[in-house]
Amino acid sequence: GAGVSQSPRYKVAKRGQDVALRCDPISGHVSLFWYQQALGQGPEFLTYFQNEAQLDKSGLPSDRFFAERPEGSVSTLKIQRTQQEDSAVYLCASSLALGGEQFFGPGTRLTVL
Amino acid sequence: DQQVKQNSPSLSVQEGRISILNCDYTNSMFDYFLWYKKYPAEGPTFLISISSIKDKNEDGRFTVFLNKSAKHLSLHIVPSQPGDSAVYFCAASAGGAGKSTFGDGTTLTVKP
Repeated sequence: GAGVSQSPRYKVAKRGQDVALRCDPISGHVSLFWYQQALGQGPEFLTYFQNEAQLDKSGLPSDRFFAERPEGSVSTLKIQRTQQEDSAVYLCASSLALGGEQFFGPGTRLTVL
Repeated sequence: DQQVKQNSPSLSVQEGRISILNCDYTNSMFDYFLWYKKYPAEGPTFLISISSIKDKNEDGRFTVFLNKSAKHLSLHIVPSQPGDSAVYFCAASAGGAGKSTFGDGTTLTVKP
């Protein structure tokens, strides 16, 4: 497809379970961003990559959150030992260059029971 | 402390009239501002942006105004159409960093 895709679209996890969320950016887009959106709020920055380099991870809420983009294309956001407060929509966005227009995927809605 | 605020959670306007969505920010380092539109179950879609060196940017029915001294920006939609009904997010970034700080959104409803 031409846009940013994310999988799964919905994920239900039991508290304590590990989850992995995948993002396929638009082909050729150098920059990739992860955001967390809680219900009724705007997206909050988690981390971003320039190619395979993670240049800013200041928004990751704890060391249970880990993101990677090993080949500079697909990215995975991993959350270990999920907690109820991790329940949110996780959005991925990509841009052709840093500072350029960001194209968002549809998000993964994570529910931790 | 929220650095980007959209104080109106919702706005309802009649089709054909003007919609004005407002946004305030506190961080004086922000130099690039964006508006996104979001439909349910979809990611935000870029609408229009403005650099801090400008005070107005226009694209068709959409115009963004920036008042740096007041740290305020607004999005005008004229004329409003029912298809404009969505959640609108204001966002800001600093120094070409790319990462954006978002407001909590305003839900716009345009009534036929």
